[in-house]
Amino acid sequence: QSALTQPPSASGSPGQSVTISCTGTSSDVGNYNYVSWYQQHPGKAPKLIIYEVSKRPSGVPDRFSGSKSGNTASLTVSGLQAEDEADYYCSSYAGSSNLIFGVGTKLTVL
Amino acid sequence: QLQLQESGPGLVKPSETLSLTCIVSGDSISSNNYYWGWIRQPPGKGLEWIGNIYYSGSTYYNLSLKSRVTISVDMSKNQFSLKLSSVTAADTAVYYCARVLKSSAWVFDYWGQGTLVTVSS
Repeated sequence: QSALTQPPSASGSPGQSVTISCTGTSSDVGNYNYVSWYQQHPGKAPKLIIYEVSKRPSGVPDRFSGSKSGNTASLTVSGLQAEDEADYYCSSYAGSSNLIFGVGTKLTVL
Repeated sequence: QLQLQESGPGLVKPSETLSLTCIVSGDSISSNNYYWGWIRQPPGKGLEWIGNIYYSGSTYYNLSLKSRVTISVDMSKNQFSLKLSSVTAADTAVYYCARVLKSSAWVFDYWGQGTLVTVSS
């Protein structure tokens, strides 16, 4: 199975909102509400920020939100802060105990 | 506080077997609430799921790696391990171990710091 499609880059100014898309197929994103998002700062391990499309783990600011429509999931970061600059990866359950990740998006805070 | 720590050789020769261990502290690997998993990331590239294991020994592997991967658990040492056979340069990556929510579908809520494994002669 191919990796989920994400834009290579996204950017926004402090205080603004930015949305990152994650496009799959009817066999993964479109068929399951099991989309997760991970934030990864350079040289660090990924951190879970959204799971099951829109749920936030304890401690994740509500500036991070997730949604899904059809075969595309989205991560929105509101009120951008400098520390939000990182790589963001989506993942989706793909059935038969399979999981696929997105290719990743580099978010730049201008 | 949960901690996961990967350990193993940082250099493996082509055609040999890569072996890594993830030591879990702050939680029991035999918890009913979690699976335990491995993910890798080639330098400068994206994440790739390798596989997950439940404390009972049930395993779930990425189909693209299944023929070369073995994940096992050692409850007495509170750790789980990864073996990847017949490695090539394409297997060079940072390897992460992680805790997996059993209540969901392959959600990694805690990650180890990762360990770089280079495949080279």
